[in-house]
Amino acid sequence: AQSVTQPDIHITVSEGASLELRCNYSYGATPYLFWYVQSPGQGLQLLLKYFSGDTLVQGIKGFEAEFKRSQSSFNLRKPSVHWSDAAEYFCAVGAFTGGGNKLTFGTGTQLKVEL
Amino acid sequence: GAVVSQHPSWVICKSGTSVKIECRSLDFQATTMFWYRQFPKQSLMLMATSNEGSKATYEQGVEKDKFLINHASLTLSTLTVTSAHPEDSSFYICSARLTGREAFFGQGTRLTVV
Repeated sequence: AQSVTQPDIHITVSEGASLELRCNYSYGATPYLFWYVQSPGQGLQLLLKYFSGDTLVQGIKGFEAEFKRSQSSFNLRKPSVHWSDAAEYFCAVGAFTGGGNKLTFGTGTQLKVEL
Repeated sequence: GAVVSQHPSWVICKSGTSVKIECRSLDFQATTMFWYRQFPKQSLMLMATSNEGSKATYEQGVEKDKFLINHASLTLSTLTVTSAHPEDSSFYICSARLTGREAFFGQGTRLTVV
């Protein structure tokens, strides 16, 4: 069964500082990996995804993530955080073959940005 | 990106009544739609997967008679919470996707049962 672990429940960074949110996954085959962001009372917005190819993927809002198969990780990074980045971030793993459509989400990391 | 619209954004209903939530893919035809439930400060839990024109597949522990899902067209899926009770109060989120593509999420519906 697939699973996702986000070890950090809360993270606080100062505006302008760099950010790294951790994500570890367990999946039996080549995973499809995603990072989503959720603002309070809102749905989820896709930040970036990894299907195949280059292991460093660029997303929206200046975010990037690196797929490391040897570490079963897909950590999200941003060089300089803005106050508007404060939100909940979810890592997810899924498959898109036939009926295997399920996305499994991590428990999320709440990001707080100090001004 | 593709747009998924969920309606209503919030609803308050009396205990024992039924509530219908709509999920529409506005600019694409979704072969599959998903319904999630999210408790405060928790992750999303998949409730069911629906494919257009067929019965929904429910996750273990989700009452299919309680949470009725209809996926009548490639752009619309509905979730009806029947005989709602306070413990059904939650944030419900739908997502829709094309085969081989990522899923796009609606903005969610906050259901409060009083």
